[in-house]
Amino acid sequence: AQSVTQLGSHVSVSEGALVLLRCNYSSSVPPYLFWYVQYPNQGLQLLLKYTTGATLVKGINGFEAEFKKSETSFHLTKPSAHMSDAAEYFCAVRAGGGADGLTFGKGTHLIIQP
Amino acid sequence: DTAVSQTPKYLVTQMGNDKSIKCEQNLGHDTMYWYKQDSKKFLKIMFSYNNKELIINETVPNRFSPKSPDKAHLNLHINSLELGDSAVYFCASSPGGYNSPLHFGNGTRLTVT
Repeated sequence: AQSVTQLGSHVSVSEGALVLLRCNYSSSVPPYLFWYVQYPNQGLQLLLKYTTGATLVKGINGFEAEFKKSETSFHLTKPSAHMSDAAEYFCAVRAGGGADGLTFGKGTHLIIQP
Repeated sequence: DTAVSQTPKYLVTQMGNDKSIKCEQNLGHDTMYWYKQDSKKFLKIMFSYNNKELIINETVPNRFSPKSPDKAHLNLHINSLELGDSAVYFCASSPGGYNSPLHFGNGTRLTVT
């Protein structure tokens, strides 16, 4: 079964600093990976998704993620944090066939220090 | 023109009551889902429907019953509500391909007192 593990339930960075949110996947087949963001009292918004063949994926709001098969990782980064980036971030993997939905990691709460 | 809309946004009710949450998507997607997010933000799939047919029914109490009158609607009915049912429930839809993301509604925060 496909699964993802997010390292660090809380990450705190200063405004303007690099954001790095970690995600490792476990999959016996090529994974389909996604990053979502959840702002307080809102639904989940897609940041980016991994498409087979591309190792660096660009998303919205200046975020990007790098797929590393050798490390089974799909870490999310942003060069310069902004106060508006404070939110909950979820890594997810396709559970199986199309109707199987996504399996989510436990989430990382990103805190931006002024 | 919200893509996935849920009603109500907040639902406060007493133990033992029966309640429903409605979901509609205008994206033309074939697959719809219900997810439950607990107080620790953990998201777990409950059900998925493809073209009105139940595909996934995870281990949830049979007090939860989804109903899909057409492929644009997926409602969730909950009988005999319990304190532990308090959570945020999200509806989502997807075209269904392997690399297709899910599109989420804004959630329904259910509080059982």
